[in-house]
Amino acid sequence: GEDVEQSLFLSVREGDSSVINCTYTDSSSTYLYWYKQEPGAGLQLLTYIFSNMDMKQDQRLTVLLNKKDKHLSLRIADTQTGDSAIYFCAESTANQAGTALIFGKGTTLSVSS
Amino acid sequence: GAVVSQHPSRVICKSGTSVKIECRSLDFQATTMFWYRQFPKQSLMLMATSNEGSKATYEQGVEKDKFLINHASLTLSTLTVTSAHPEDSSFYICSARGGEWYTEAFFGQGTRLTVV
Repeated sequence: GEDVEQSLFLSVREGDSSVINCTYTDSSSTYLYWYKQEPGAGLQLLTYIFSNMDMKQDQRLTVLLNKKDKHLSLRIADTQTGDSAIYFCAESTANQAGTALIFGKGTTLSVSS
Repeated sequence: GAVVSQHPSRVICKSGTSVKIECRSLDFQATTMFWYRQFPKQSLMLMATSNEGSKATYEQGVEKDKFLINHASLTLSTLTVTSAHPEDSSFYICSARGGEWYTEAFFGQGTRLTVV
């Protein structure tokens, strides 16, 4: 079945860039997503990328997709303490509303000042 | 982005009672809603997928008689945990897709259920 893997922890200093990595196994993935979860809260969609793209930039966020290696990354520039949260990578194998997202276990980002 | 509202955010109930959690899409029609369960420091486990007006599709290992899902309208889905036990204590999150938002999935705020 589909599988999404992420490293569990990342610690950076305020002002540095953070790079969170994700690998997935399903080559038919159509969309890949990054979500942010703060303690006790739901998931906030940060950005997503269509599988025929290799990069997407949105303000401080840059998503890189290497479809050949099934590798997705999220770069947060100028990381702030407010960016401390759990970041989930997710994939969807179809561009239809009826398909659930498959999530990785999440990467806990800790930002120190 | 679209807004999904989940209620209640926290609930404590006695063992053996039932609890209903509501998930509403506030500004779009959610063709499909998903219910996830999240254990501490773990990922989201998909419990079931519900389409408006039809029976929910449950993932393997999820008891459909225990976790009743109703998707009566394009803006509302409910999850009822019946005869709750302490092991049902968890964080439940709903997600919705549909309409112009079919590519994204938006999530509710989650419900922290504690069964005592």
